[in-house]
Formats: sequence, structure tokens, C-alpha cells
Amino acid sequence: NAGVIQTPRHKVTGKGQEATLWCEPISGHSAVFWYRQTIVQGLEFLTYFRNQAPIDDSGMPKERFSAQMPNQSHSTLKIQSTQPQDSAVYLCASSFGGAIWEQYFGPGTRLTVL
Amino acid sequence: SQWGEENLQALSIQEGEDVTMNCSYKTYTTVVHWYRQDSGRGPALIILIRSNEREKRSGRLRATLDTSSQSSSLSITAAQCEDTAVYFCATDNTNKVVFGTGTRLQVLP
Repeated sequence: NAGVIQTPRHKVTGKGQEATLWCEPISGHSAVFWYRQTIVQGLEFLTYFRNQAPIDDSGMPKERFSAQMPNQSHSTLKIQSTQPQDSAVYLCASSFGGAIWEQYFGPGTRLTVL
Repeated sequence: SQWGEENLQALSIQEGEDVTMNCSYKTYTTVVHWYRQDSGRGPALIILIRSNEREKRSGRLRATLDTSSQSSSLSITAAQCEDTAVYFCATDNTNKVVFGTGTRLQVLP
């Protein structure tokens, strides 16, 4: 069991460019969560899928951010027209049975927007 | 203690000492989770305590929960250098887990 896999581990983009972050949940887990972590804001919930369906996206910025889960083996978080304030560590987590507790986190993708 | 708009707390102790980290939460929850995060890694669940439990133990870890005061604590007995990490409490809120601001614990040799 390789755990939750996130790629890339580090991404640097220029202001205005697009960034796509990938997450592969643990096999057999039916829930995927995305979080953003910064020193100032801490760990912020972004969105949550269960059985590939979006359940709660209340933490997603209304503009420029989107998430998809096209199949049970991966999810993507896309940020269009990146801004310096988007710089953060983006964490993906998965859980068995769709439960929101006992989440297993990946190592995160550190996004730096210059 | 951690929560809400509070800044990340920091504690520094010597190896072998006991330490307690506190957490308060604002809304009803059925469970309090405690996670630890090592540098460069994602958080990892270390102990979970439900609203019908007052205390939960796991090895050198002890979590308590007081639903009347909406507070929880995590204690580590005889801390080791490898316990150095950031510790978060988290609660359930409808479809998501809400994390506290965290406590940075440094255990010195």
C-alpha cells in the first residue's frame, strides 16, 4: 500500500498560469478530500468527493479553482490564472467507506506562484 | 490552546517530560480527532475520541474530551525526540473535518 500519492511534489508557476495537481487515493477508499495549508490560514478544507461524486465544495474559492474525480483512482485540482496568494501546500486525503474521519493524507504538493 | 483565529502555538520540552496540548471547539461535534504532522508530510491520525468517551489512551498518548466545555486535550507521557511534530485537533462539521490551528511541539534531547 503506497498510501495517497500526490504529484507533483513541488510546482512553480508564473502569475497567470494554470496549475493542475493530481491525487491518487488509496485503493478501495471511496472518499477524497482536498485541503490547502498555509502558515497564516492553517489547514483549510476545499472540497470532498464520495464515490466520485462531489459532496461538498464549500471551501473552494468561487473563481479559478475547480476539482474533478473522473474515476476512482484519481482526482485533480485545477487552478486557473494562478496568483501569488494561491501559494500553499495542497493536501489530498482519502478515507475508506466515504467516512469523513480517519482520513489518510498524502504528502502534499507545494505550489509556488511567482 | 488551539482553535479559531489563534496563532499556531509552540511548546518546547525536554525528552522524558510529560506534555499536554489543549483544544477548544465552537460547534457541536460527535468526535474529536488528533492528528500529527511531521515536517514535509501530510497529517496522520493518531487518536480519535468520541462524544460518549471522556478519555482514550493509545500507548503514551491520552486524549480527553469534555463536551460541556467543548474542549479536548492530548497528553504525551515521557515525550521522545521523535514526538517532535505539529499536533492538530479536528472536529466533524457536516461533511467535513475542521482542523484547529495546531501546536508545534519540539522535544529536545
